[in-house]
Amino acid sequence: QVQLVQSGAEVKKPGASVKVSCKASGYTFTIYYMHWVRQAPGQGLEWMGIINPSGGSTSYAQKFQGRVTMTRDTSTSTVYMELSSLRSEDTAVYYCAGEIAARLLNWGQGTLVTVSS
Amino acid sequence: DIVMTQTPLSLSVTPGQPASISCKSSQSLLHSDGKTYLYWYLQKPGQPPQLLIYEVSNRFSGVPDRFSGSGSGTDFTLKISRVEAEDVGVYYCMQSIQPPYTFGQGTKLEIK
Repeated sequence: QVQLVQSGAEVKKPGASVKVSCKASGYTFTIYYMHWVRQAPGQGLEWMGIINPSGGSTSYAQKFQGRVTMTRDTSTSTVYMELSSLRSEDTAVYYCAGEIAARLLNWGQGTLVTVSS
Repeated sequence: DIVMTQTPLSLSVTPGQPASISCKSSQSLLHSDGKTYLYWYLQKPGQPPQLLIYEVSNRFSGVPDRFSGSGSGTDFTLKISRVEAEDVGVYYCMQSIQPPYTFGQGTKLEIK
């Protein structure tokens, strides 16, 4: 079955960068567009961007332009989300989610990123 | 960006009673391909969101038939005909007609 397994929790200092991974299994890696969605503590869902694992093309929410980079490694069926210049407001659970036909069908378990001095 | 507005933000429902959540978008979600890109997700405590309804009114595989979606254009509704204890969590509507995809604020459903 389709599984998206994310990397473990991270603690970072303000100004640092974090790179979260999402390893896919159970399907052909290139058929799902992959999204990243984050959720601050006690808050709602916020869409960050999307990557096409086939060609590597990306589209980011304006809010994160210049700070976020989404990449993929087809040899390991893994997508990555790197967020730089971290601030306390970036403390959140970060989810990857696979899309088919505009539906976010499969979600990773989430990765908690804590930004604290 | 398309703004998604949900009401109410919280619901407390007696088991067996109905519940209804409204979602309004700032722009029409009807695409030129004829589909309306409005989705409903449920996030149970401590879990990632799960898809309930796609394209306004289509229940995803395994979703009980007590869940139904309706609406068109910019106004949408999720209804639960008879709430059960397992339905607790936060419900989100989401649009994917154009990036950035955007979510409603969420509606927290509690059981009385």
